[in-house]
Amino acid sequence: GAVVSQHPSWVICKSGTSVKIECRSLDFQATTMFWYRQFPKQSLMLMATSNEGSKATYEQGVEKDKFLINHASLTLSTLTVTSAHPEDSSFYICSAMSRNEQFFGPGTRLTVL
Amino acid sequence: GENVEQHPSTLSVQEGDSAVIKCTYSDSASNYFPWYKQELGKRPQLIIDIRSNVGEKKDQRIAVTLNKTAKHFSLHITETQPEDSAVYFCAATNYGQNFVFGPGTRLSVLP
Repeated sequence: GAVVSQHPSWVICKSGTSVKIECRSLDFQATTMFWYRQFPKQSLMLMATSNEGSKATYEQGVEKDKFLINHASLTLSTLTVTSAHPEDSSFYICSAMSRNEQFFGPGTRLTVL
Repeated sequence: GENVEQHPSTLSVQEGDSAVIKCTYSDSASNYFPWYKQELGKRPQLIIDIRSNVGEKKDQRIAVTLNKTAKHFSLHITETQPEDSAVYFCAATNYGQNFVFGPGTRLSVLP
């Protein structure tokens, strides 16, 4: 099946710095990618829908200036957490659409000190 | 690490019948199991979840059961309707660890 990778798998950063997470579809092109975040003891919640070549669509309550999404190519979407703070520490996972099927990445754990 | 399998990959039922999707997981430490529904052209949405201290949870026509000993959990949809047609994903996680999804089940409810 289709493979989606994320990089890095784990990142630790200082408060105030920015962190970029990459989501790649390895063997297919994805016009749409989704970004999720897992809150403590809760399920994954959709943050935004990333469409290649256009602006991302953010879910209600998600700050677009805080979580910058760039989908510059059909195989790569990036999520940048700007001016990260400890409350941004979480598990972030992406998924990519291919022929109306969705494939999930392995996730990225962000820890902000 | 955790591994989640999901069966069947496709399922067709007549409107009004029940549908059951089963997932198995490998990590006995997993303690939270959500289900997501993704309709064609729409974003995935959480429809129901269950924690490891509960054996069954129901929300109207949707129910989820968990067998910790056998390490499997199932989604049950009763009185299916055409709008239930979608792809359903199960997942398993141990808080603080990776969140692993199943490969998905495409459910078709035939009128």
